[in-house]
Amino acid sequence: GESVGLHLPTLSVQEGDNSIINCAYSNSASDYFIWYKQESGKGPQFIIDIRSNMDKRQGQRVTVLLNRTVKHLSLQIAATQPGDSAVYFCAELANDMRFGAGTRLTVKP
Amino acid sequence: GAVVSQHPSRVICKSGTSVKIECRSLDFQATTMFWYRQFPKKSLMLMATSNEGSKATYEQGVEKDKFLINHASLTLSTLTVTSAHPEDSSFYICSASGGRLYEQYFGPGTRLTVT
Repeated sequence: GESVGLHLPTLSVQEGDNSIINCAYSNSASDYFIWYKQESGKGPQFIIDIRSNMDKRQGQRVTVLLNRTVKHLSLQIAATQPGDSAVYFCAELANDMRFGAGTRLTVKP
Repeated sequence: GAVVSQHPSRVICKSGTSVKIECRSLDFQATTMFWYRQFPKKSLMLMATSNEGSKATYEQGVEKDKFLINHASLTLSTLTVTSAHPEDSSFYICSASGGRLYEQYFGPGTRLTVT
């Protein structure tokens, strides 16, 4: 399943499928990007980051892709699990940290 | 890893009263702390940035006399919501940084309900 930036704030996927969460950032001067996961009633948790001189970075089951040409960031979650259900925010850092609106990921068993 | 705590996790107060929220960095010295507000189904909105020992820098539209921030030590910052109104009800989240802006560690948040 795939979300499209801020225009689709919810994403529902089947357990085991891959998820793609997208983010369109605004500041071309941003040189650092982070994805956060926020579960209901909790603070954001760091997932993965990427610097502007990279276009891809992989973690455990997660991959972040950066396309500076179109100012687009995506988070790919492989083999999505029920525990991945949360709101995912991208953040961009230039002079300060700014957060995107977030996408709510729901994983159906 | 770096741990940030907030207290209380939930608070209910009456309209007109003041409530204080604490943010602590438990295992590192936080030269900078950030306070955010989050409305339901919305992203984090930065309210203010505070550096230890100096006055907080407030974002445009945030009333500094209503949201008092004190960063008295390298491990503690407090946010006091003065003369609270129901519209101040929200989820308040702090984060702490040891100096590098991109390394922000978030607290678990405080749910404030003003009746």
